[in-house]
Amino acid sequence: EAGVTQFPSHSVIEKGQTVTLRCDPISGHDNLYWYRRVMGKEIKFLLHFVKESKQDESGMPNNRFLAERTGGTYSTLKVQPAELEDSGVYFCASSQSGKAKNIQYFGAGTRLSVL
Amino acid sequence: AQKITQTQPGMFVQEKEAVTLDCTYDTSDPSYGLFWYKQPSSGEMIFLIYQGSYDQQNATEGRYSLNFQKARKSANLVISASQLGDSAMYFCAMREYGANSKLTFGKGITLSVRP
Repeated sequence: EAGVTQFPSHSVIEKGQTVTLRCDPISGHDNLYWYRRVMGKEIKFLLHFVKESKQDESGMPNNRFLAERTGGTYSTLKVQPAELEDSGVYFCASSQSGKAKNIQYFGAGTRLSVL
Repeated sequence: AQKITQTQPGMFVQEKEAVTLDCTYDTSDPSYGLFWYKQPSSGEMIFLIYQGSYDQQNATEGRYSLNFQKARKSANLVISASQLGDSAMYFCAMREYGANSKLTFGKGITLSVRP
């Protein structure tokens, strides 16, 4: 069974450009999460989808970030326009619904560098 | 507010020996889960072990065990018989079940296993 996959693994863009990150969750997982780790800081929650609906987007830093999950399958996270402070590693995770433990399985992340 | 504290900046252990990675947490929610993840140099976050706040026994998964001391609010990870492949960064995380399903992470601990 395939794990959580993220594309691209690394993106280098200039300030002001747009970048779109993609996450393919584990098949059958209704829950999809985005997290971000800025250099030297903790991994921080961004938002949570249940199927195609945003369940919790309290961690989204500002309106330059837009997350979608059309059809409840893969998700995209768009940053427009990118700023220097957006650099970091963006992780996606997925989990099954209806499980008490709700283990979140993570991808390898996308390393975003904004120059 | 949730908080996870991992204060050990870096740990070294001799191959085949046991090592304990510390994690303390703070929450007012009586129902919560504690998680440990491993992040090798490849970048992927690998789930290791889970402990629920109401679990009567400490969790174990192969060479991993969780020393859960509820009164002290600590959830230390014990790795027995260390292997060179255990060299990685280790993150402690918590989820409060009364609120939402996001994970709150500590800053992580780097473990280096010496041959």
